[in-house]
Amino acid sequence: DTQMTQSPSSLSASIGDRVTITCRASQSINSWLAWYQQKPGKAPELVIYKTSTLQSGVPSRFSGSGSGPDFALTISSLQPDDFATYYCQQYNSFPHTFGQGTKLEIK
Amino acid sequence: QLQLRESGPGLVKSSETLSLTCTVSGGSMTDGDYWWAWIRQPPGKGLEWIGAASYTGTSYSNPSLEGRVAIVVDTPNLQYSLRLSSVTDADTAVYYCARHSYGVGYHWGQGTLVTVSS
Repeated sequence: DTQMTQSPSSLSASIGDRVTITCRASQSINSWLAWYQQKPGKAPELVIYKTSTLQSGVPSRFSGSGSGPDFALTISSLQPDDFATYYCQQYNSFPHTFGQGTKLEIK
Repeated sequence: QLQLRESGPGLVKSSETLSLTCTVSGGSMTDGDYWWAWIRQPPGKGLEWIGAASYTGTSYSNPSLEGRVAIVVDTPNLQYSLRLSSVTDADTAVYYCARHSYGVGYHWGQGTLVTVSS
């Protein structure tokens, strides 16, 4: 199995801050990496796929980058709606494993 | 607009089999670029990929679940199902059905909580 190591596990930031969350893959995933946003009591929603492609409807302040084994999700200027938990996921090979999650909180 | 909806018992007894169904609307199930998946999330914890199946019947499950998983796709009825056998307290979770599109990622249902009672 491909292990996904995500960091940090939690992050406190202010409105307008730039934040970056990282994910490291234990083996090659060929850019098949997605990022999801999850709010309390809700299902995760796709934010970024194929490392850097923005899902339709997602604000352009979100961006993804990286190449094996290190990947990143950056939010350029935090807005109130962005405070949530974020997960990375590799979908290069089964099982499609997730990172442990990063809880983004308001400072 | 693709919609996925999970259904099934919210309470299952320990050692029995958990059975859930996902009903698909707004999309076809017979596209070879799709995998029909189940993912779960124990209360207050992270996401765990359970398994996925294609409409042809090919399926994969997470080795961590030690052969307890069966996923079956029923294309005529636009449904697919999850069976997880020999459940324990550790299987208490919100269970999501989700469609994986090749190259794109997952589109999720709303989730359903299943509690295992001992």
